[in-house]
Amino acid sequence: AQKITQTQPGMFVQEKEAVTLDCTYDTSDPSYGLFWYKQPSSGEMIFLIYQGSYDQQNATEGRYSLNFQKARKSANLVISASQLGDSAMYFCAMREGGTQGGSEKLVFGKGTKLTVNP
Amino acid sequence: NAGVTQTPKFRILKIGQSMTLQCTQDMNHNYMYWYRQDPGMGLKLIYYSVGAGITDKGEVPNGYNVSRSTTEDFPLRLELAAPSQTSVYFCASGPSGSLNTQYFGPGTRLTVL
Repeated sequence: AQKITQTQPGMFVQEKEAVTLDCTYDTSDPSYGLFWYKQPSSGEMIFLIYQGSYDQQNATEGRYSLNFQKARKSANLVISASQLGDSAMYFCAMREGGTQGGSEKLVFGKGTKLTVNP
Repeated sequence: NAGVTQTPKFRILKIGQSMTLQCTQDMNHNYMYWYRQDPGMGLKLIYYSVGAGITDKGEVPNGYNVSRSTTEDFPLRLELAAPSQTSVYFCASGPSGSLNTQYFGPGTRLTVL
């Protein structure tokens, strides 16, 4: 079974509007972390936001926020006030386990291609 | 800080050739990782290291080898290149004990013909 599922291969949004990119995850470990990365056409992986499984509040970083619904095992990325430069691939990833023994391995979803239209 | 650097940026190999992908980080991170990204897919972990002298297999280690003689360097070796190894390879590093972010290098685009 896939550990990270991104069901939207592609999404379109108008400039200045908000958009939500979906991510669901599967784990039985009580301690885990969820990440979102952006990959523009240039290819680099850019860290956007992180949510820990024990965090009480949803993570926010500027225009990015993570809608964390633990019972539903979802960690959707919300981008507010979309900009043309937000057009890119977006990957959701999960780290399972504690902080010992190299458990900081990440498992990635297949990604969502976001296109921001002017 | 340069962060995570990778060389080369691009490489074309013939089937059966070998090569080493270089990765260096200057952030004094204990943890380092190698991922591959096939077209239209997310990243898959090849090997990782929790410190100098310690390495372990990830999800897709076959056909690759690694070593970690220093904190800074984590080279990835392809011994007998195959077309299935055509991919983009990313090196990443992260501090030990941290629950968040890994820092990625710019990637190496490898084609095996």
